[in-house]
Amino acid sequence: EPEVTQTPSHQVTQMGQEVILRCVPISNHLYFYWYRQILGQKVEFLVSFYNNEISEKSEIFDDQFSVERPDGSNFTLKIRSTKLEDSAMYFCASRSRRGSGAGKTQYFGPGTRLLVL
Amino acid sequence: AQTVTQSQPEMSVQEAETVTLSCTYDTSESDYYLFWYKQPPSRQMILVIRQEAYKQQNATENRFSVNFQKAAKSFSLKISDSQLGDAAMYFCAYRSAREGYGGSQGNLIFGKGTKLSVKP
Repeated sequence: EPEVTQTPSHQVTQMGQEVILRCVPISNHLYFYWYRQILGQKVEFLVSFYNNEISEKSEIFDDQFSVERPDGSNFTLKIRSTKLEDSAMYFCASRSRRGSGAGKTQYFGPGTRLLVL
Repeated sequence: AQTVTQSQPEMSVQEAETVTLSCTYDTSESDYYLFWYKQPPSRQMILVIRQEAYKQQNATENRFSVNFQKAAKSFSLKISDSQLGDAAMYFCAYRSAREGYGGSQGNLIFGKGTKLSVKP
């Protein structure tokens, strides 16, 4: 069964450093998302991406964040200058075209655990 | 703005018994989707069940079923014949049905979660 994959599974970085989190969505999916979950807290929406552009973003997704789909398979989240409060689990999700039953469901990757020191 | 509330931070159930996890939500929209996701210790988010708001029939997936009360904005999850592998965090999530330009692209709004323990 196709699944969303994410790399790396864990990342430790120093405050102020740039990090890139990578995701490979399910191949026929068209909508892509990033969420984050600070330890012990709920999952929060960061950004959605469709047709090679950001379609929606939350207030968390400030100028330090950017997303890109550099080729036909990868979907990346970049944090330009990490802060301590960026430490969290970052989840990528994807879903297929709208209108179908399965298209209403987002499928999540296993997450990248980011620790900023 | 839509909100999702899970009022039970922790729940416990005996193996083979039934447990119900509560979720309420607030929205002014009439068309939306509701989900339950399971997050085991590995922290992977796994879809458990989905409900379309326009469907009156409650969704069912094997041992998992929901009690969807649209007027009350309630969406509880019932787990029957609980198994040790059901132990996890369970998140209720809401998604607007509006899509396209000027509308949401379907981002999920999550509750804070309920930690379910299963006792052997």
